[in-house]
Amino acid sequence: DSGVTQTPKHLITATGQRVTLRCSPRSGDLSVYWYQQSLDQGLQFLIQYYNGEERAKGNILERFSAQQFPDLHSELNLSSLELGDSALYFCASSSSGRGARETQYFGPGTRLLVL
Amino acid sequence: AQTVTQSQPEMSVQEAETVTLSCTYDTSESDYYLFWYKQPPSRQMILVIRQEAYKQQNATENRFSVNFQKAAKSFSLKISDSQLGDAAMYFCAYNTRSQGNLIFGKGTKLSVKP
Repeated sequence: DSGVTQTPKHLITATGQRVTLRCSPRSGDLSVYWYQQSLDQGLQFLIQYYNGEERAKGNILERFSAQQFPDLHSELNLSSLELGDSALYFCASSSSGRGARETQYFGPGTRLLVL
Repeated sequence: AQTVTQSQPEMSVQEAETVTLSCTYDTSESDYYLFWYKQPPSRQMILVIRQEAYKQQNATENRFSVNFQKAAKSFSLKISDSQLGDAAMYFCAYNTRSQGNLIFGKGTKLSVKP
């Protein structure tokens, strides 16, 4: 158990819908990363938050957004869903994320299926 | 471009034998960490081992060790005394001082034969 929690574990929805994925980092970790794992794109970085502020953006679509709350949990919002958004979404946390080069601990992931 | 290449999509090893998974990476930065993550059928991403680029000594964690060749930008994983529970996808990754997110390879699927 990494100490990172994600809910829900599975999500099935229809095209055009909106969903919210939730992540709670390890106790004491300030930084949260979101990654998408799909068959064709592999593991891709979406976005990073550090202590409530957006720190870095990767290959995140405009239909996707995220935020980190004062209690440090984070939510990833996916809207206008398309079939191609079906993937495993991971959240990872690290202690600061400011100096990088840190070990990231991954949650169990949320498996999203868009029908 | 920052990339990680795992040239072996699939590997197979006999139980109790040793196997080496290859990884090469490309970054222009000198300060970075390298990682191997394991993803079993449960899909959980589990940290196997990490290596700090400024350390010349190769990291070791029980049956897992790395061969880090900084000049060649090579970071291979050796699994000794392979066990059935080692069967999984293995991902090589790194991050840098300036970029905290991980850059992943495509993965190597390891099968362990009894």
